[in-house]
Amino acid sequence: AQTVTQSQPEMSVQEAETVTLSCTYDTSESNYYLFWYKQPPSRQMILVIRQEAYKQQNATENRFSVNFQKAAKSFSLKISDSQLGDTAMYFCAFMKRNSGGSNYKLTFGKGTLLTVNP
Amino acid sequence: DTAVSQTPKYLVTQMGNDKSIKCEQNLGHDTMYWYKQDSKKFLKIMFSYNNKELIINETVPNRFSPKSPDKAHLNLHINSLELGDSAVYFCASSQAGATQYFGPGTRLLVL
Repeated sequence: AQTVTQSQPEMSVQEAETVTLSCTYDTSESNYYLFWYKQPPSRQMILVIRQEAYKQQNATENRFSVNFQKAAKSFSLKISDSQLGDTAMYFCAFMKRNSGGSNYKLTFGKGTLLTVNP
Repeated sequence: DTAVSQTPKYLVTQMGNDKSIKCEQNLGHDTMYWYKQDSKKFLKIMFSYNNKELIINETVPNRFSPKSPDKAHLNLHINSLELGDSAVYFCASSQAGATQYFGPGTRLLVL
């Protein structure tokens, strides 16, 4: 079974600064996806970024980028130029990639509550 | 247009009642899911359906019964509600193993 660990229950950052959220995972699979989702106070789950394990290049989406270290099973999220609207709970998630079949499920970490201060 | 919608958004009910939550997606996806988020914000898969076929059933009490009338809909019926069922329930959809897109969630409070 896969496990996802987010060791920082809460973090805070000043507006315009950079912050990094940590995530480690444990799996025996070699083919999988990793995700960061954010959940603002509105409760909506919003995809931030996705990484395929077979890709060596780190994914980026505007101000959001990841540092994917496959050997270390680490997948951290960097948020640059933090904005007040980035205040949210951030969840790291793992999904095994099946060849054939359809047993897709996300395994989530416990989340990191990020507060961006003005 | 909303991609994944759920109704209702809030549900307050008494212990022992039966209730349903509906989910619809207009993304043309073939796989739909139910996740439960507990009071500590932990999210866990409950069920998934692929082309109306049940694929995942994660040790959920049989008081919970999902139903998928077609690929665009996945409903969750809960019998004999208990206090511990209070949570936020999220529906999600994806095209096979691609990214999952979530609905707005249904907050269920059992009194």
